[in-house]
Amino acid sequence: GAGVSQSPSNKVTEKGKDVELRCDPISGHTALYWYRQRLGQGLEFLIYFQGNSAPDKSGLPSDRFSAERTGESVSTLTIQRTQQEDSAVYLCASSLDRKNIQYFGAGTRLSVL
Amino acid sequence: GEDVEQSLFLSVREGDSSVINCTYTDSSSTYLYWYKQEPGAGLQLLTYIFSNMDMKQDQRLTVLLNKKDKHLSLRIADTQTGDSAIYFCAEIAQAGTALIFGKGTTLSVSS
Repeated sequence: GAGVSQSPSNKVTEKGKDVELRCDPISGHTALYWYRQRLGQGLEFLIYFQGNSAPDKSGLPSDRFSAERTGESVSTLTIQRTQQEDSAVYLCASSLDRKNIQYFGAGTRLSVL
Repeated sequence: GEDVEQSLFLSVREGDSSVINCTYTDSSSTYLYWYKQEPGAGLQLLTYIFSNMDMKQDQRLTVLLNKKDKHLSLRIADTQTGDSAIYFCAEIAQAGTALIFGKGTTLSVSS
């Protein structure tokens, strides 16, 4: 596609529910990243996928967070048993490979009530 | 550990130059980046500089890199109201995967 696409753009959920966020990277980009942006903060790295290699999960804040990616296509970030502190904008980025420029989607704004 | 610091706010008048400053800690960073974020939008790459350069110019944007002091700056000439946004400085993490971002500088341009 023309750019990185994320859905939904906004998600409101109740505390304790599970949510799934989706990212469609730019076609041909082998690397895919998830970041979290809390209000007034910079971006925190969550997880990185490179082709079929094992993902780098070092940024995931707890075992309630997980992500999947099949090959070089769509990725989903799942947050189980959401908490109010999970409220943030979740941004996805893709790049040709890990040394290249990262292009960002518009993000999913998650609000946990 | 790796860290990127930026001043939080900058206010300028339309037509003036804006200078946004950033300091970073990882001396092995190969690339340093400036991203722009407008309200409700994702991050847009503005420009980047390779670590063996000390200056890069792109139209109204000038990036200066002082590797000795680990200082990066972004100068916007003839600042316009459309330049109002949050500007993020970022470096590649030592492992060469994720970007390490500063907290962002909010640029406010008044007419």
